[in-house]
Amino acid sequence: GAVVSQHPSRVICKSGTSVKIECRSLDFQATTMFWYRQFPKQSLMLMATSNEGSKATYEQGVEKDKFLINHASLTLSTLTVTSAHPEDSSFYICSARDPRGTGETQYFGPGTRLLVL
Amino acid sequence: ELKVEQNPLFLSMQEGKNYTIYCNYSTTSDRLYWYRQDPGKSLESLFVLLSNGAVKQEGRLMASLDTKARLSTLHITAAVHDLSATYFCAVDPTGTASKLTFGTGTRLQVTL
Repeated sequence: GAVVSQHPSRVICKSGTSVKIECRSLDFQATTMFWYRQFPKQSLMLMATSNEGSKATYEQGVEKDKFLINHASLTLSTLTVTSAHPEDSSFYICSARDPRGTGETQYFGPGTRLLVL
Repeated sequence: ELKVEQNPLFLSMQEGKNYTIYCNYSTTSDRLYWYRQDPGKSLESLFVLLSNGAVKQEGRLMASLDTKARLSTLHITAAVHDLSATYFCAVDPTGTASKLTFGTGTRLQVTL
């Protein structure tokens, strides 16, 4: 299947700083990528849909000014957590839909674990 | 609001036994996905079910979809320890592999 990478895999930062997470599709071009957040022992929650060349679509309750998404190329989407606070500590996972074939599934990155002190 | 519920939330079973995990959802959808997540890891795709009556099998796992009942099942046959993980179903009401709504997850522990 298609490969999606994320960087970094783990990050620790101080409260009030900003953190950027990269999501790359390695062997295909993705016009659409998705960002999820997962708190410990909970399910995944879709945060936003990242659209190449246009603004991201945020889910209800997700602050777009706090979670900045940029999808500047067909293989890269970035999520920036601005002025991070301890409650933003979570596991952030991106995914991408492979447009080749039927495009019937999303491929998930390995995730980024964020700890805000 | 779409709700996706899994039952049970936690399952402890012995090796060699059979069991079924259930995934109920609250709105019409012809697409449903099953994923596996190991501790500290991301999601691994197990099955993509694209229509009513779809049944897929891989090894000791078999998944089915009944869109009329809004129910999917993940059946485990003769469980082995390596199957210990958390299993999520996810519903895709748009039918475009977008805006997935995930179930609550079922943590499976297979004991020796």
